[in-house]
Amino acid sequence: AQKITQTQPGMFVQEKEAVTLDCTYDTSDQSYGLFWYKQPSSGEMIFLIYQGSYDEQNATEGRYSLNFQKARKSANLVISASQLGDSAMYFCAMRVSGYSTLTFGKGTMLLVSP
Amino acid sequence: GAVVSQHPSRVICKSGTSVKIECRSLDFQATTMFWYRQFPKQSLMLMATSNEGSKATYEQGVEKDKFLINHASLTLSTLTVTSAHPEDSSFYICSAGLEGGHTGELFFGEGSRLTVL
Repeated sequence: AQKITQTQPGMFVQEKEAVTLDCTYDTSDQSYGLFWYKQPSSGEMIFLIYQGSYDEQNATEGRYSLNFQKARKSANLVISASQLGDSAMYFCAMRVSGYSTLTFGKGTMLLVSP
Repeated sequence: GAVVSQHPSRVICKSGTSVKIECRSLDFQATTMFWYRQFPKQSLMLMATSNEGSKATYEQGVEKDKFLINHASLTLSTLTVTSAHPEDSSFYICSAGLEGGHTGELFFGEGSRLTVL
């Protein structure tokens, strides 16, 4: 079974500062994918970034980067230069095969202040 | 990129009625779709895996007769909440992904907010 742990229920950050959202995972599978999704108050799930278990380099997508530490089983999301529009719920998730669903963490609410 | 569309986005119904929610993959074929339920300020909870041409696989604790899932084509899965009651009020989201044994991205529908009066 897979498990995702997000220990930060909420995070505050000032606009233009960087913030790290923590995520640790547990699986016995060797091949897996790690994802981060953003969910604003409207409810839609917005894909942010993906890291494959065999990827040697950390994934980056614009202001988002994933700090992947395989030995520690962590996949933290780093948002650089936070913007007011980044205020939302953030979910870390894992998928172990193309035919399985995502296992989600409990989420972290990020609030960006001016 | 691949898009999943969900309809309706909001529905209000009377207790005892049934509500159908549609999930469509717009530009790809999905043999498997997933249905989730999300309570306020909580994570997504997988309800069932919808398989095209066969019966859905339900997660433990999810009532099959309450939440009917039909996956009649490679681009459409429906979730019907039968004889809805106020406790069924929730946010329901579907997802589908490009398959092939790779741990690829799942695309989500916009979600459907159900309110049962």
